[in-house]
Parts: sequence; C-alpha cells; structure tokens
Amino acid sequence: SQKIEQNSEALNIQEGKTATLTCNYTNYSPAYLQWYRQDPGRGPVFLLLIRENEKEKRKERLKVTFDTTLKQSLFHITASQPADSATYLCALLSNRLAFGKGNQVVVIP
Amino acid sequence: DGGITQSPKYLFRKEGQNVTLSCEQNLNHDAMYWYRQDPGQGLRLIYYSQIVNDFQKGDIAEGYSVSREKKESFPLTVTSAQKNPTAFYLCASSIGGALPYGYTFGSGTRLTVV
Repeated sequence: SQKIEQNSEALNIQEGKTATLTCNYTNYSPAYLQWYRQDPGRGPVFLLLIRENEKEKRKERLKVTFDTTLKQSLFHITASQPADSATYLCALLSNRLAFGKGNQVVVIP
Repeated sequence: DGGITQSPKYLFRKEGQNVTLSCEQNLNHDAMYWYRQDPGQGLRLIYYSQIVNDFQKGDIAEGYSVSREKKESFPLTVTSAQKNPTAFYLCASSIGGALPYGYTFGSGTRLTVV
C-alpha cells in the first residue's frame, strides 16, 4: 500500500540550531514533493516545492532535499527561531496531492 | 487580498442532521478540494473538483456530498450517513491541471456532533 511516513515524535530543538525533518514514502512515484507548515487550529500553509529532477531547493532559512532513489525528502530549518514552532507536513503530488501526518517542531528559546 | 474563506469556524450538529460547510475562494483557481483532519492522522481527501460542474470522490467520500456550480464556491454537506463526522475540515484550492503549484488552504471548520 502507499505510505508517506513522518516522525510522530515532536522534535525539540534549541533556538539557533538546525532542525531536520524526514519524509519517507513507499509505492509512490511522485513528480513533485511539497512541504507545508500548519499551526494549531489553522490550515496548512505552502512552503516549498521540489521536482523529482531537483536534488535541493532553498528558500530563506529553509532547505529541502529530494532523493528518489532512497524515496526520501529532508526538510531543514536553519538558525531556528521560536516562531518556527509548528507542525510540518510533507505532501506528494502524483495524480493528486497526498499528505503525511506531519512532524511537530518545538524551538526552545 | 485573495484567499479562501471557510465558514463557520465552529459548527455543532445533532445526530441525524445534515450540515453544510461553506468554502469560497477569490483566487480564480480552477481546482478545489475538501480534506478531513483527525488527531494523529494526516489530511484525508473527501472530494475534489478540477472544474465547474464536475467533481470526483476522494479517499473517504462516503457520507459526504458536494456541488460546484460556481468557480468560487465548493460547499461540502456532511450527511447523517457519515458515522463519525466530528473532525476538522479543510478546504483548499489550486491553479489546477497537472501544474505542481502549492495548495492554498482555508482556516478550517471544526465540526462537533452533540
């Protein structure tokens, strides 16, 4: 069956450090992979998209990698700030968008 | 500002009642989607529409119905046939087609059965 797996345990990280989240998938051949941020009680907000032929994408303090051989994406927040505390969702676009369950990040001042 | 408006933010339903959740967008997006989110679960697709007057079932369409009479609007009706309707409902839109643009989400409607 198709699966998108993100760590269910919250990532607690000290302010200023780099937070790294993992998204693994099985039985998908996505042409694109997206990352979203979701705050409690709010809808997700689109952050970044990476194509299957791209290895890495950056946007400000965010960096995403996409390894189609490993079937994995890594999401990095550099110089993390308390305002980065949220749940981050991985989403795969094949014929339509499918979401992982999300991984919570808590940045400790 | 362009965006998606969902209303109401909170909705309470008695068992056996149908309720309709509103979703309106002014982004001129062709595609619209309804997702359901439960604690500890990912977003699950209920229905989607790629164009006006057309829509398709998602992964968990049973007990739900939709219409797409206008490009801007994609209301979701939760019928009495939905056995476990208490959840957070999210509406989204995108440019549509095979284009890989990100989805724009509304702020959600939290439905509780009382």
